[in-house]
Amino acid sequence: GNSVTQMEGPVTLSEEAFLTINCTYTATGYPSLFWYVQYPGEGLQLLLKATKADDKGSNKGFEATYRKETTSFHLEKGSVQVSDSAVYFCALITNAGKSTFGDGTTLTVKP
Amino acid sequence: GAVVSQHPSRVICKSGTSVKIECRSLDFQATTMFWYRQFPKKSLMLMATSNEGSKATYEQGVEKDKFLINHASLTLSTLTVTSAHPEDSSFYICSARDRTGVIHEQFFGPGTRLTVL
Repeated sequence: GNSVTQMEGPVTLSEEAFLTINCTYTATGYPSLFWYVQYPGEGLQLLLKATKADDKGSNKGFEATYRKETTSFHLEKGSVQVSDSAVYFCALITNAGKSTFGDGTTLTVKP
Repeated sequence: GAVVSQHPSRVICKSGTSVKIECRSLDFQATTMFWYRQFPKKSLMLMATSNEGSKATYEQGVEKDKFLINHASLTLSTLTVTSAHPEDSSFYICSARDRTGVIHEQFFGPGTRLTVL
């Protein structure tokens, strides 16, 4: 079956530090890849997505590139803020609409 | 656009009672909605896929008689937790797929926190 493996957390960074959260996947076919963010007590919000190989998704300073050769979709941000503290989920959705989520990575950014 | 709402946002009930959670797509029609369960500090677990006008498809290990899903219209799906027990306490999240959009787009609701006493 399909699977998504995320970097284990929690991750604690100082404000303005560089962020990388690793994500690798296994899937048949060519899934679309997503990063979602969940703030405490809330549902999931789409952060960014990429639908085919070499696509780069970006939003709010976050970026991730769909790497088919390494089956990866690592999330990066050049300078994190306290407001970025949240849980981040990597996910894939197949062409048939089946979704698989990673376990989530908790990010805490300290002032 | 593409807003999904859930009601209620929080519910506390006594053991043995049933609870209904609504998921609505506010500005689009959704032929397919998904129900997830999230345990504390854990990822989302897909419970079932709900298709408008037909029976839901449940994931392995999910009791269909306990978690009743109805998708009566293109904008509403409901999840009823029947005879709830404390172990059913969880965060339930729905998502919806726009019938006119690309197949991989899913829009998530804000979630419903269920606490069974």
